[in-house]
Amino acid sequence: DIQMTQSPHSLSASLGETVSIECLASEGFSKCLAWYQQKPGKSPQLLMYYGSSLQDGVPSRFSGSGSGTQYSLKISNMQPEDVGVYYCQQGYKYPLTFGSGTKLDMK
Amino acid sequence: EVQLVESGGDLVQPGGSLKLSCAASGFTFSNSYMAWVRQAPKKGLEWVATISTSGTTTYYSDFVRGRFTISRDNAKSSLYLYMNSLKSEDTATYYCASLPTVAPGYFDYWGQGVMVTVSS
Repeated sequence: DIQMTQSPHSLSASLGETVSIECLASEGFSKCLAWYQQKPGKSPQLLMYYGSSLQDGVPSRFSGSGSGTQYSLKISNMQPEDVGVYYCQQGYKYPLTFGSGTKLDMK
Repeated sequence: EVQLVESGGDLVQPGGSLKLSCAASGFTFSNSYMAWVRQAPKKGLEWVATISTSGTTTYYSDFVRGRFTISRDNAKSSLYLYMNSLKSEDTATYYCASLPTVAPGYFDYWGQGVMVTVSS
């Protein structure tokens, strides 16, 4: 199974700040990586797929990068509505696996 | 607008059975792989099972293989999860999710979730 190690476990950001979340896979794959946002009390929502493709309707302050075993999600210009938990997920092979999540809150 | 609406969640005793349903609308259900993903209370996301468009191919996590069965009815635009031999560790919110037609490796739409509690 491909293990997804996500860091940091949690972080706080000020309004307008830029933050990054990292995801390390136990084996490499070609960009079959998705990012999700889960706001408090809500279902997860797809943010990015193929490592760097923005899902329709997602603000452009979200961006993704990476390849092989290392991927990252960057949130520029932090907004109050960005508070939540972020998960990475590999879609390269079964079993599909998620990172443990990064809780982002506002300072 | 894509909508996925789960139902069937309940409190069930260990060893019991339960059937979850997911009603889909707003997209061509028969063209999409579908999946169940769960989230234990205060925990992260865990993939459970995926089914192909026709239903002929299924994938299961090791935690549920042999106990859970995923199925679909394309005529009714519905997805199902039959859960047997339930354990306390199966307690979670279960989400129905669709996978994109061109690359069914990630989840593009999610339902609101349904709670399954396994306890005596």
